[in-house]
Amino acid sequence: GENVEQHPSTLSVQEGDSAVIKCTYSDSASNYFPWYKQELGKGPQLIIDIRSNVGEKKDQRIAVTLNKTAKHFSLHITETQPEDSAVYFCAASFWGGNQFYFGTGTSLTVIP
Amino acid sequence: EAQVTQNPRYLITVTGKKLTVTCSQNMNHEYMSWYRQDPGLGLRQIYYSMNVEVTDKGDVPEGYKVSRKEKRNFPLILESPSPNQTSLYFCASSSTGYTGELFFGEGSRLTVL
Repeated sequence: GENVEQHPSTLSVQEGDSAVIKCTYSDSASNYFPWYKQELGKGPQLIIDIRSNVGEKKDQRIAVTLNKTAKHFSLHITETQPEDSAVYFCAASFWGGNQFYFGTGTSLTVIP
Repeated sequence: EAQVTQNPRYLITVTGKKLTVTCSQNMNHEYMSWYRQDPGLGLRQIYYSMNVEVTDKGDVPEGYKVSRKEKRNFPLILESPSPNQTSLYFCASSSTGYTGELFFGEGSRLTVL
């Protein structure tokens, strides 16, 4: 089955700096790559996703890039704010498969 | 308000005492699934359901059962809980299955003594 690896496991940045979280996947059939944000005491919530026919997608301060050849995708958060502090999960899935495969999570702390 | 509701949110129980964690969604989603979250292991799928009466195993189904008798409900059953099932559990639903947004509940923290 698919294997998704996520790095780093923890990340601390100063407010206003950028944060980058990276994921790799193993199955070349994967074609959908969402990112979820989990705030303390809550369930994960989708913040951005990308499909395999697109190399980059942006939504305000958040962007995701996908390199299908290298089988990796990354989350970029610019101008970080304290409210960006949370655990972030990447995931992969594919049409015809049966589930999402999640990374192990990155705990992001934005220091004011 | 669109939501996935889990109950109980917190539970402490003892080994072998059967328990059920309920999950209900009000979005008319066909796809529902259960995950457990453990430190360093991320989210691992336990069971999923593509529709009523259609369920299948995820990556870590041992010790769990599910049923899908109605579209909105997808309970997780632990017939004989053991300490290694101490975890944070999430129910999720989606209108598009595994290639679209998952809507998660707020989680159920289970401790088995």
